[in-house]
Amino acid sequence: ETGVTQTPRHLVMGMTNKKSLKCEQHLGHNAMYWYKQSAKKPLELMFVYNFKEQTENNSVPSRFSPECPNSSHLFLHLHTLQPEDSALYLCASSQGLAESYEQYFGPGTRLTVT
Amino acid sequence: GQNIDQPTEMTATEGAIVQINCTYQTSGFNGLFWYQQHAGEAPTFLSYNVLDGLEEKGRFSSFLSRSKGYSYLLLKELQMKDSASYLCAVRDEDYKLSFGAGTTVTVRA
Repeated sequence: ETGVTQTPRHLVMGMTNKKSLKCEQHLGHNAMYWYKQSAKKPLELMFVYNFKEQTENNSVPSRFSPECPNSSHLFLHLHTLQPEDSALYLCASSQGLAESYEQYFGPGTRLTVT
Repeated sequence: GQNIDQPTEMTATEGAIVQINCTYQTSGFNGLFWYQQHAGEAPTFLSYNVLDGLEEKGRFSSFLSRSKGYSYLLLKELQMKDSASYLCAVRDEDYKLSFGAGTTVTVRA
């Protein structure tokens, strides 16, 4: 248990569906992140929030829409996804954005787009 | 873009030592992290280096040479539970973390 939870753990959705991924951290951290992990590829940073404000959008397609209502919760809204979006989506949090702060990862949501 | 290279796979025997190398070329440098990820689980933090030299934490040590753009993770007295993927990650001048593809270590009895 890292103090970061994600739901659902597994999700299968069609290309026309709309779904949301949820992340919650119980560590009192101020920064939260979304990453995509595809097989045999490096983790790709998608979005960064610091004190609820988005500080990074790493050229992510608009079919992925993040939401951060407070420092403890982060959502990723999905709509009209493509099969190549199938991957493990990891949420992480850190105390801040400074260089020495390690990130704590959630267990991920395994997404399959059919 | 950022470039972080590490070997894809390594195999070692229980009780042995394994060294996982990581080389990087990034825009600026604000620290290097090593994470461990067991199959189907979240990555967990192992070590952090920002200055040159060796950081030791029990059976795990991490080394950094900023001038060479090089780090290694040393795993000593290998145990079966050390079978996992090990991720090298570098924080750049914008404080963004870029990851290597990971090194899968298999420990044999």
